[in-house]
This record gives sequence, structure tokens and C-alpha cells, in this order.
Amino acid sequence: NAGVTQTPKFQVLKTGQSMTLQCAQDMNHEYMSWYRQDPGMGLRLIHYSVGAGITDQGEVPNGYNVSRSTTEDFPLRLLSAAPSQTSVYFCASRPTWGPPHGYTFGSGTRLTVV
Amino acid sequence: AQTVTQSQPEMSVQEAETVTLSCTYDTSENNYYLFWYKQPPSRQMILVIRQEAYKQQNATENRFSVNFQKAAKSFSLKISDSQLGDTAMYFCAFQSGYALNFGKGTSLLVTP
Repeated sequence: NAGVTQTPKFQVLKTGQSMTLQCAQDMNHEYMSWYRQDPGMGLRLIHYSVGAGITDQGEVPNGYNVSRSTTEDFPLRLLSAAPSQTSVYFCASRPTWGPPHGYTFGSGTRLTVV
Repeated sequence: AQTVTQSQPEMSVQEAETVTLSCTYDTSENNYYLFWYKQPPSRQMILVIRQEAYKQQNATENRFSVNFQKAAKSFSLKISDSQLGDTAMYFCAFQSGYALNFGKGTSLLVTP
């Protein structure tokens, strides 16, 4: 099925550990982005990419790295996890050009840092 | 940066009734897009309705409609004939350029 696939769905990390959240889409969307969702805060943009090799920071980029080597994949890396990064993470994609049909979201990753 | 404000953290409505969720935004842009997303307990983000700022006509999708007031920078969502399945968090979102900016959400409970 076409869409955005995020893995894992749940993860528990210890403070200081590193990990990569995976995001893949099969709709040939140029634009991909990562959001974090915290209670009472809505969704906040972490990083985004408008195509392979091009990334930029969003509202809350500190503590996260991204890269975009292919159109399909946009992984989010936590180099040294902190309890403040406990959150639900969403990946979203959309075509860059044409009418805005809205973003397609993945099902989210719930991350707990202890 | 654009800001999106949802002033109603929680709302409740009885089944079959009508409810309106409020959203205001702040921008100096003239061309932009507005969305309402629904997030049920499953956590999935579901697009409910979208509005292009250059269109004066309010968008409608079945039981969902918006009241878009561009001068007032207001974008409210009306849900008619509320159903139990409408229980969810609702997020208003603003897009101009690459970023999609969200409000903090309104938790809607539909009661029998």
C-alpha cells in the first residue's frame, strides 16, 4: 500500500544512547519532514527536506540530525538521547509542486528516554 | 514565523448535534493553505478538510465545513450531525512554503 512507513512504532532508550528513526515513502514525494508531538504542544517541525541531498532545520532541530540520500528515505538520528526527547515522532511527505493535497503522515513512533 | 492558535483545549458535543472548533492564525503572507487534521486515539493523522487562501468559497467535505475569514485570519471547523467516531484531537494547520505549522489542538468528545 502506498504511504509513509515509520519504524519502529515504539522504542525505549537510555539517556545517552543513539538511535535512528526510519521513514520511507513510496509516492515519489520530494518533500519529507519530521515532527514531534508533545502533550499540549501540537506538532512541531524538527527537520525537513525538499529533495535528495537537501535538508533544512525546522522549529526544534537541536539534538537531531537528518540526511536525504534517496527520494524514498528520510531517517532521523538521535546522537545522544535525552529525557526531553521523549515524544511521539511523525514523518510526513507531500509533492513539492502542484496543488497542496495535504501531507501524508506515517503512523508515528513513540519514543521514551529514561 | 506564522502562529496558529486554537483557543479551545477541550470541547464536548452530543451525538447528532453541531459543534464549531475555532482557529486563528497570524501571517503576513497572501498565498497560503489551511488544513484541519483529525487525530483519533489510534494516533494516525487524518486530513479532514483544506482551504486555499485565494478561494473565497468555504470548503465543505460531507459533514465538515469551514468558515474562512481571511481578513480576520480565522478558520473555524464546523462538524454537523456529530458522530461518536468524531471523538478525536483536531489540529488546525497553516502552510506557506515548505513548513506546516500546527495549533496546539482541540480535544473533541462526542457523547451519546
